Amino acid sequence: EPEVTQTPSHQVTQMGQEVILRCVPISNHLYFYWYRQILGQKVEFLVSFYNNEISEKSEIFDDQFSVERPDGSNFTLKIRSTKLEDSAMYFCASRAFDSSGRENEQFFGPGTRLTVL
Amino acid sequence: QKEVEQDPGPLSVPEGAIVSLNCTYSNSAFQYFMWYRQYSRKGPELLMYTYSSGNKEDGRFTAQVDKSSKYISLFIRDSQPSDSATYLCAMSSYSSASKIIFGSGTRLSIRP
Repeated sequence: EPEVTQTPSHQVTQMGQEVILRCVPISNHLYFYWYRQILGQKVEFLVSFYNNEISEKSEIFDDQFSVERPDGSNFTLKIRSTKLEDSAMYFCASRAFDSSGRENEQFFGPGTRLTVL
Repeated sequence: QKEVEQDPGPLSVPEGAIVSLNCTYSNSAFQYFMWYRQYSRKGPELLMYTYSSGNKEDGRFTAQVDKSSKYISLFIRDSQPSDSATYLCAMSSYSSASKIIFGSGTRLSIRP
């Protein structure tokens, strides 16, 4: 069964460093998302991406964050200058769009645990 | 008022019991309702997906949506120890972005 994959599974970085989190969405999906979950808290929406542009972003997704689909398979989240409070699990998700009525199902990857020291 | 409210538990039941999980919400624009299961330090796994009001059954799982009361439920029949996980209710409105709003999750433990 197709699945969303993410690398790395765990990333440790120093405060102020740039990190890039990578995702490979399910191959025929058109919509891509990043969510994050701070330990012990709820999963929060960060950004959605469609047709090579951001379609919606949350207040969390400030100028330090950017997303890119550099080729036909990868979807990346970049944090330019990490802060301690960026430590969280980051989940990528993707969804298809078809006429079956199931167009809103989002499938999540296993996550990247980001630790900022 | 929070957009989505979910009792965090923990909820502990004996194996074989029927489990009832629920969420309330405040945004009338929500039309898609989902339940995800999340094991510790793993990604959310989609269990049930429902559009608008009504019931949906899949094996031992039944999802119910009552839009008039802004209340959704997940029932698990014949619960198994492997069902022990955190259950997240989630919902979204119809839009091109379709961002999902999650509840805080209910931690469920099934005792053998």
